[in-house]
Amino acid sequence: EPEVTQTPSHQVTQMGQEVILRCVPISNHLYFYWYRQILGQKVEFLVSFYNNEISEKSEIFDDQFSVERPDGSNFTLKIRSTKLEDSAMYFCASSEPGTGNEQYFGPGTRLTVT
Amino acid sequence: AQSVTQPDIHITVSEGASLELRCNYSYGATPYLFWYVQSPGQGLQLLLKYFSGDTLVQGIKGFEAEFKRSQSSFNLRKPSVHWSDAAEYFCAVVPFFNQGGKLIFGQGTELSVKP
Repeated sequence: EPEVTQTPSHQVTQMGQEVILRCVPISNHLYFYWYRQILGQKVEFLVSFYNNEISEKSEIFDDQFSVERPDGSNFTLKIRSTKLEDSAMYFCASSEPGTGNEQYFGPGTRLTVT
Repeated sequence: AQSVTQPDIHITVSEGASLELRCNYSYGATPYLFWYVQSPGQGLQLLLKYFSGDTLVQGIKGFEAEFKRSQSSFNLRKPSVHWSDAAEYFCAVVPFFNQGGKLIFGQGTELSVKP
């Protein structure tokens, strides 16, 4: 069964460093998303992406964040200058048209900012 | 305010007992409704969804959920819980019909299963 994959599974970085989190969505899906989950809290929407542009973004998704689909398979989230409060689990998801936004999630990348 | 509420933060049930996890939403129109499960250290797996039609929906792993418009609820049920069901359960909605719309999650309910 097709699945969303994410790399790395765990990333440790120092405050102020740039990180890139990578995702490979399901191949025939056209909508892509990033969510995050701070430890002990609920899953929060960050950004959605369709047709090579951002469809919607949350207040969390400020200028420090960017997303890109550099080729036909990868979908990346970049954090330019990480802060301690960016420590969280980041989930990528994808969905295909006509399914009522049934989103399939990857296993997540745990980002630890020290 | 528009929100998704899971009133129970933690529930413990005995193996073999029935289970009901509560979810309420506050949106004007009927949203798309979902239940996801997250096992420790894992991603989110879709259990079931409701878009329209029959208000009782069946999902994977023996779960079902019932949509009640009058109560703005979408409670998850299972008649007999197995130890492997111990996990965190999230109710989520897509508030408006919108291709590619974001999921809004509830706080989650952690389920413990005792032997």
